[in-house]
Amino acid sequence: EDQVTQSPEALRLQEGESSSLNCSYTVSGLRGLFWYRQDPGKGPEFLFTLYSAGEEKEKERLKATLTKKESFLHITAPKPEDSATYLCAVQAVGGGSNYKLTFGKGTLLTVNP
Amino acid sequence: DAGVTQSPTHLIKTRGQHVTLRCSPISGHKSVSWYQQVLGQGPQFIFQYYEKEERGRGNFPDRFSARQFPNYSSELNVNALLLGDSALYLCASSFGSGTNYGYTFGSGTRLTVV
Repeated sequence: EDQVTQSPEALRLQEGESSSLNCSYTVSGLRGLFWYRQDPGKGPEFLFTLYSAGEEKEKERLKATLTKKESFLHITAPKPEDSATYLCAVQAVGGGSNYKLTFGKGTLLTVNP
Repeated sequence: DAGVTQSPTHLIKTRGQHVTLRCSPISGHKSVSWYQQVLGQGPQFIFQYYEKEERGRGNFPDRFSARQFPNYSSELNVNALLLGDSALYLCASSFGSGTNYGYTFGSGTRLTVV
């Protein structure tokens, strides 16, 4: 069974204090790993898809990296508007897993001014 | 362009009742997926439909059903509501049925069962 574990559950940073969020996953074969941002009461907002180990993607202050067992979301010089829950999800190869995303519980990031 | 639209945004139902949630995908997207998100948890997969056919089903009881219409919009139906069905129900659309096209989520329907 596909599994995704995110850590830490919650992270509080000062504005400008860089850090990383972790996503560990177990799948039989990885089709893609997704990062989403979710604001309270809203649907997840797509950030990145990573497909293979060694791949990196960047968007503004965010950079996502992927290894064979985990992904990191690096946040450089965060601002208060980066406060949100960050969700990691995997899509596996084969069978019914082709059609679903398996999500972690998320990391609640709070950036204080 | 309009994103994924879901209706209603909020809903309160009584235990034992039936509910229908609706989703309109992004124009041109042929796949719709449904997820349930309980407070403090990540979304959990319920169904995916592609070209009006069910392509995947998560570990949910038969009280949950869905369908996709010729215009690619979709309905999620839940019968005999339980208190534990209270959650944010999310719809996601994509161009294809697999990974490479990305999934765009709507803002969800907040269902409260009392």
